[in-house]
Amino acid sequence: QVQLVQSGAEVKKPGASVKVSCMASGYTFSNYYIQWVRHAPGQGLEWMGIINPSGGGTSYAQKFQGRVTITRETSTNTVYMEVNSLTSEDTAVYFCARVYCDADCNPDGHWGQGTLVTVSS
Amino acid sequence: DIQMTQSPSSLSASVGDRVTITCRASQGIGNYLAWYQQKPGKVPKLLIYTASILQSGVPSRFSGSGSGTDFTLTISSLQPEDVAVYYCQKYNLAPWTFGQGTKVEIK
Repeated sequence: QVQLVQSGAEVKKPGASVKVSCMASGYTFSNYYIQWVRHAPGQGLEWMGIINPSGGGTSYAQKFQGRVTITRETSTNTVYMEVNSLTSEDTAVYFCARVYCDADCNPDGHWGQGTLVTVSS
Repeated sequence: DIQMTQSPSSLSASVGDRVTITCRASQGIGNYLAWYQQKPGKVPKLLIYTASILQSGVPSRFSGSGSGTDFTLTISSLQPEDVAVYYCQKYNLAPWTFGQGTKVEIK
């Protein structure tokens, strides 16, 4: 069955970086894009960016451009999302989610379990 | 960037009531709109995609409509398990922005 398994919770100091992984299984990795979404305490869902695992092409929300990098490792069917220069505002649960794209793209309902990133001095 | 505005931000209704949530895009997005349900501490659940297609396994009391700039999520008969925050997301072009969310409670 389709699974997206994310790495474990992280605690980081302000100014540090964090790299969250999302390991895919149960389907052909290159056939589905992966989007990243975060949910900060008391806030709504926030879209961060998306990657095409086939060619590695990415697109980011303007807010995160230059501070967030999404990459993939095809040998391990894993997508990574790295956030640099962390502040307390980055404390959130980070999710990866699968997207099916052919002529058009549509989310297909498969999400990772979420990774809590806490930024605290 | 296209902004997504949901209304209301919260609502309280009785079990069995018909509930309607609206999502408005600042520019036309065709029918590239999804609706999600998120319960506290849980992973968001996809309810509707392409504005009106019900995701497999989602109860038929949920429905979506609209195209262009104005979209609606309807719960035909509110159930206690529907207490959650509901979000729309547009995905015609990046960024795939979410609405700010609508909190649904039972009266």
